[in-house]
Amino acid sequence: GIQVEQSPPDLILQEGANSTLRCNFSDSVNNLQWFHQNPWGQLINLFYIPSGTKQNGRLSATTVATERYSLLYISSSQTTDSGVYFCAVEPHDYKLSFGAGTTVTVRA
Amino acid sequence: EAGVAQSPRYKIIEKRQSVAFWCNPISGHATLYWYQQILGQGPKLLIQFQNNGVVDDSQLPKDRFSAERLKGVDSTLKIQPAKLEDSAVYLCASSLSFNNQPQHFGDGTRLSIL
Repeated sequence: GIQVEQSPPDLILQEGANSTLRCNFSDSVNNLQWFHQNPWGQLINLFYIPSGTKQNGRLSATTVATERYSLLYISSSQTTDSGVYFCAVEPHDYKLSFGAGTTVTVRA
Repeated sequence: EAGVAQSPRYKIIEKRQSVAFWCNPISGHATLYWYQQILGQGPKLLIQFQNNGVVDDSQLPKDRFSAERLKGVDSTLKIQPAKLEDSAVYLCASSLSFNNQPQHFGDGTRLSIL
């Protein structure tokens, strides 16, 4: 099946810092989603982004489908940004495959 | 718009017992998914329904797990008998259709097997 690799596995930020999370995938995909899993375990949709760039407040995402990667940018990080960020890709069999996640800790 | 509803939020049982989880998807969503998330890992798809039919259950351990979506809306996932390795969070998700649509997740059921 398709391989989804996220980096870095862990990230510690000081409040107000910016960061970039990366997702690489091994095959072409129909679409890609970024999720945030908060400390209470809730999995929240951030972006549905098969290609191009989208922005939502302090977060933005870019997917370059031809090169099989996506980036999630967090600007001016806040403590509420803490949690695990998952990249999930939908290959041509339409089954969503998740990466192992990036654990982000934002310190006040 | 109401989100995906799941119950219970937590369940503790002993190994070899049975357990059932319930999911109510977002209204109008034809596709429903059950995922298993083991601590420290990303969610893994167990089964996918399109209306009341199974689209994919290739990763469902069918000797102990079963799922149904009889009327094409609510769904239940059952484990019988439970094993220690079934300790995980069970997430339900729904989408408008099975392809090229974002999936929306419920809060999950955290299952602990003693």
